Amino acid sequence: GQNIDQPTEMTATEGAIVQINCTYQTSGFNGLFWYQQHAGEAPTFLSYNVLDGLEEKGRFSSFLSRSKGYSYLLLKELQMKDSASYLCAVMDSNYQLIWGAGTKLIIKP
Amino acid sequence: GAVVSQHPSRVICKSGTSVKIECRSLDFQATTMFWYRQFPKQSLMLMATSNEGSKATYEQGVEKDKFLINHASLTLSTLTVTSAHPEDSSFYICSARVGQTSYGYTFGSGTRLTVV
Repeated sequence: GQNIDQPTEMTATEGAIVQINCTYQTSGFNGLFWYQQHAGEAPTFLSYNVLDGLEEKGRFSSFLSRSKGYSYLLLKELQMKDSASYLCAVMDSNYQLIWGAGTKLIIKP
Repeated sequence: GAVVSQHPSRVICKSGTSVKIECRSLDFQATTMFWYRQFPKQSLMLMATSNEGSKATYEQGVEKDKFLINHASLTLSTLTVTSAHPEDSSFYICSARVGQTSYGYTFGSGTRLTVV
């Protein structure tokens, strides 16, 4: 079956760095997405990785290792507004998105 | 950027009534629209995929006669929850793929449905 695993919840301090991991087992791979979702709102696109390596975009970076079925989202200089759920999603061979359950990130002052 | 407008944002209805949710792509043509449901503290669950001009494809366990999907044009897809029950109360979100894969998917703002 298809499976996406990510931690349920993480806590970090304002100004610090946090890494949210995602492991996946899917039928085929056409890229991995990270989305941010604030409570009661729709997800917003953060990043897309299809090749191995690190993609940096401002305070956020995303890494992919296809051989390990592994990705992480790195958030630097954390701000209170970064408190949200972070969803990992993989596009399978049928170009369908398979979603992880999301990681709730709590930022403390 | 690509925007999907979803209405209503919140709706409260009585059991047994029907509710229609609309998603419009404002500056692009959405040949395919995805409809998701999300229960509190859970991930997005794909309900169905609608393609313009053809019947929607429903995921296993989703009743097609209860959740009616219409995708009559390239800019409008609707989801109608028929004979709603309290267990249908959830957050419903539509999504469309934008251009090439790397652009990801753009989401509507979601509809919070409460059935009383």
